[in-house]
Amino acid sequence: NAGVTQTPKFQVLKTGQSMTLQCAQDMNHEYMSWYRQDPGMGLRLIHYSVGAGITDQGEVPNGYNVSRSTTEDFPLRLLSAAPSQTSVYFCASSRGVGAEAFFGQGTRLTVV
Amino acid sequence: RKEVEQDPGPFNVPEGATVAFNCTYSNSASQSFFWYRQDCRKEPKLLMSVYSSGNEDGRFTAQLNRASQYISLLIRDSKLSDSATYLCVVILTGTASKLTFGTGTRLQVTL
Repeated sequence: NAGVTQTPKFQVLKTGQSMTLQCAQDMNHEYMSWYRQDPGMGLRLIHYSVGAGITDQGEVPNGYNVSRSTTEDFPLRLLSAAPSQTSVYFCASSRGVGAEAFFGQGTRLTVV
Repeated sequence: RKEVEQDPGPFNVPEGATVAFNCTYSNSASQSFFWYRQDCRKEPKLLMSVYSSGNEDGRFTAQLNRASQYISLLIRDSKLSDSATYLCVVILTGTASKLTFGTGTRLQVTL
């Protein structure tokens, strides 16, 4: 009964490095999304997907790429890490509009 | 103006107290409303959906006022375990289930 699984849980990057945050769900949900959470800002949407092969930008997409080749997986790529990307990242999935969103445990990313 | 606004708190209340949070939203096209709970350093989890007629789940009552564009959460008989941050969440019509979050209201229940 895994739900939404995110890896890694913690990561430290140097400025300019790239990396991929992994997200997988086993609930056969069509909707998946990535958020970042910063103090005083709430959760902000980075990218989202309404199904395999379909992705779109959210509120703060710059510096991030996503792809959705399967229903289960929705990785988030940081192209060239910057200190401003230091944050907690959450992946979420849901079965449709208005349905409950299930979140992964989060990835704490520090860019130095 | 933020799309979803909440008083960040913290609200410090004794065990057994009743506490209420409000959340205002700016877009009248908002169609779905939720309260999520987030414990310290954990992921958000759905507490309850908010329906137009109001709804109750045990000690928790949620209300929606479309005319004034706010939702509320009432917690009765507060428990220590209710200490958490409560996130107001809104979905706009036609936005493919994109959740818009408030910054959260922190509740601390004390002995």
